Parts: sequence; structure tokens; C-alpha cells
Amino acid sequence: AQSVTQLGSHVSVSEGALVLLRCNYSSSVPPYLFWYVQYPNQGLQLLLKYTSAATLVKGINGFEAEFKKSETSFHLTKPSAHMSDAAEYFCAVSLPNTGNQFYFGTGTSLTVIP
Amino acid sequence: GAVVSQHPSRVICKSGTSVKIECRSLDFQATTMFWYRQFPKQSLMLMATSNEGSKATYEQGVEKDKFLINHASLTLSTLTVTSAHPEDSSFYICSARFGQGDTGELFFGEGSRLTVL
Repeated sequence: AQSVTQLGSHVSVSEGALVLLRCNYSSSVPPYLFWYVQYPNQGLQLLLKYTSAATLVKGINGFEAEFKKSETSFHLTKPSAHMSDAAEYFCAVSLPNTGNQFYFGTGTSLTVIP
Repeated sequence: GAVVSQHPSRVICKSGTSVKIECRSLDFQATTMFWYRQFPKQSLMLMATSNEGSKATYEQGVEKDKFLINHASLTLSTLTVTSAHPEDSSFYICSARFGQGDTGELFFGEGSRLTVL
């Protein structure tokens, strides 16, 4: 079975502070990993993805994530939070050779305090 | 980049009526599209996988007669909520996978907020 766990349904940071959103997965095989962002009443937008190349992945808007197999983690970070980063963030897993199935975490709501 | 468009973005209907939501891939062909339902402050729940030219594959617990899916072309999938009731009120999001294999990313529509009175 596979699952995605996002620790912390709500995270608050001050503007300019480090953003750290946690994602852990459980899978019997190395997965492909994605982070998506959702603004209110909108669809999801891809931030970045890991597909078995470099373990440190850089995405849009200054976000990056590191795949750590030993920790089964794919945490999302940004060195300096901006007000516009306030949104819902979803971690997702896709397993090789399973067709198109994606599994989403429960999401983390990021609040940026001025 | 690849774009997926949904229409309408918002719809209000009376209980008992049917509502159709369209999902289009604008600049790529999508043999497979996905329909999700999202409750407030919650994650996306996969409802069904829409396959072009064949029947949709529904997730366990999703009523196929309630949520009719048609994928008549490589760029269009529709979700029809039949005989809608207030408990069907939700945010519905479609997506399509761009690229080959398992590494292609999902592109999402803007979502459709359904309110059933």
C-alpha cells in the first residue's frame, strides 16, 4: 500500500522566514514525488517534481525539495517566505508502472504573517 | 505549458436537476483525464478516471449512475452530476496527465464549485 503524510495541516511563518512543509511517503518501490500549490477557488499548480534524477529539486517561485530515500521524505522548503506564498500545498506520489494513479496528501495550509 | 480548462467555474442549481461540467485539454491530447472532488479544507479525492473512447473507471464508493463521465474526444471529458442534492455541493477538479509514462505531471483545471440549493 502507498500513502502520503503531510505533517502539520497548518503552518504559519513570518514574512522573510524559512518555509518548511513536510511530506513523508510509504511505498514499496521508489516513487515519483510532486508538490502542488492551490490558491483559493483555483485548481492545483505544479511547484516541482522528483522523477529519479537529482535528489534536490528546484521549482518555481523559489521553492525546492529534497528526496531522502532513507527518511522516505520529500520536504518542501523556501528560504524566505513572501506574502504571496500563502496557499494550500499538496504533496503527491505517483508509482512507476501504475498507469496514471496519483495519491495526494491531506494538504498543508501556509499562512504568512507580515 | 500544457493547460487544462474547466467550465463552468461556478454553478448553482436546484435540487433534483442535473449539472454538466466540462474539462478540456487546450494544447495537448489527453487519453486519460481524472475527476476529483474536494471538500472544504481537505485534500482531493479521486472520483474516477476518464478514458477516451471507453467507460470511466470509478473509485470505490463513487456512484457511477450519479456521476456520469463521458470522454468523447482526446481533448474533452465531461462530468454530469445527475439529480443533484445539497450533499453533492463541492469543488470538482479535473486533471490530465501531460507526457508519457509515469513521470508526466498532472495539469489541473481551475475547478468548478457546485452549489445545490
